[in-house]
Amino acid sequence: GIQVEQSPPDLILQEGANSTLRCNFSDSVNNLQWFHQNPWGQLINLFYIPSGTKQNGRLSATTVATERYSLLYISSSQTTDSGVYFCAVEVTGANSKLTFGKGITLSVRP
Amino acid sequence: DAGITQSPRHKVTETGTPVTLRCHQTENHRYMYWYRQDPGHGLRLIHYSYGVKDTDKGEVSDGYSVSRSKTEDFLLTLESATSSQTSVYFCAISPRDYGYTFGSGTRLTVV
Repeated sequence: GIQVEQSPPDLILQEGANSTLRCNFSDSVNNLQWFHQNPWGQLINLFYIPSGTKQNGRLSATTVATERYSLLYISSSQTTDSGVYFCAVEVTGANSKLTFGKGITLSVRP
Repeated sequence: DAGITQSPRHKVTETGTPVTLRCHQTENHRYMYWYRQDPGHGLRLIHYSYGVKDTDKGEVSDGYSVSRSKTEDFLLTLESATSSQTSVYFCAISPRDYGYTFGSGTRLTVV
């Protein structure tokens, strides 16, 4: 099956810093999503981004499908950004099933 | 909020008993999914549904069955619960070619 690798596995930031989270995948995909799991366990969809670039406030994401990677940018980080960030992909033809990476744990310190 | 609810939110059950978890949506989405989340494994797909009475297995389906008799409800059954099925279970919904929306999760403990 498809391999989804996220890096770095853990990240500690000072409030106000910027960061880049990376997702590499091993096969062609037609669906890529980024999620944030907050410290209370809730999973929130950040971006549906099979290709191109999107921005939502302080967050933006870029997927280069031909090179099989996606990046999530967090600018001016806040303590509320803490949690786990997951990348998930759907292999082309996989009937809308997402495969998740193991996640990146982000801690933003005040 | 997003129109997806899971019940129960927490459950403790004994080894060998059957357990059913419910996912209910008000969005009329075609696709529904059950995932489990365990430390070190991220989220893994158990079963999914692409329509009423249309279901298929995911990567960790052994010991689980599902049913979808109407669009809004997707049930996950542990036929005979084991300690290895202690986990947090998430349901998700999606229209085709759009982002997933997850429920709040069910924390299941099998003792």
